[in-house]
Amino acid sequence: AAGVIQSPRHLIKEKRETATLKCYPIPRHDTVYWYQQGPGQDPQFLISFYEKMQSDKGSIPDRFSAQQFSDYHSELNMSSLELGDSALYFCASSRLGGGTTDTQYFGPGTRLTVL
Amino acid sequence: QQQVKQSPQSLIVQKGGIPIINCAYENTAFDYFPWYQQFPGKGPALLIAIRPDVSEKKEGRFTISFNKSAKQFSLHIMDSQPGDSATYFCAASPPRLFSGSARQLTFGSGTQLTVLP
Repeated sequence: AAGVIQSPRHLIKEKRETATLKCYPIPRHDTVYWYQQGPGQDPQFLISFYEKMQSDKGSIPDRFSAQQFSDYHSELNMSSLELGDSALYFCASSRLGGGTTDTQYFGPGTRLTVL
Repeated sequence: QQQVKQSPQSLIVQKGGIPIINCAYENTAFDYFPWYQQFPGKGPALLIAIRPDVSEKKEGRFTISFNKSAKQFSLHIMDSQPGDSATYFCAASPPRLFSGSARQLTFGSGTQLTVLP
């Protein structure tokens, strides 16, 4: 079965640089979520999109922005990177249309290292 | 403020043992309680989930017990195997604000489970 695809899997950036993370949800899923997981930490919700509209917003820094495109893939844009942004970034997807399920399926994550 | 408190932080059991992981929540609006399993370098994978209208749910070797009045829920893993060694996260979310809005998951701090052969 198709899963959530994230790219790149690993990313190394310098402080103050920008980074773009991409997420391709499971086919026919209409909702995308972004989570940040620091070393030894639990995933923290950043932002979600349903049908290309922002649905909910968590602890996402103002330096970060995200959007969901017409093909339902999503991109997380991170600017002015700081050392503390080093983390695993997970994308999850679900299908809310038709009230089918609340299950969020997570991708393998993008490991961002800021030097 | 940790809205979902998980314990223990780590747990070691022998093969065949029954590890129990506990979570407590504060937000009485939460109405969806999933458990996720995460292997190193991988994304969390849903194991089992429960809603507050039932006190127990079993799927294979995994059982959730739910105590609404105490605002606590726990995961039991029957006949644990070395392959179950992973980090387990409980999570919770409130109802969707409106049709089409997405659920925001709040995770516990995780439990590192080691099952010895």
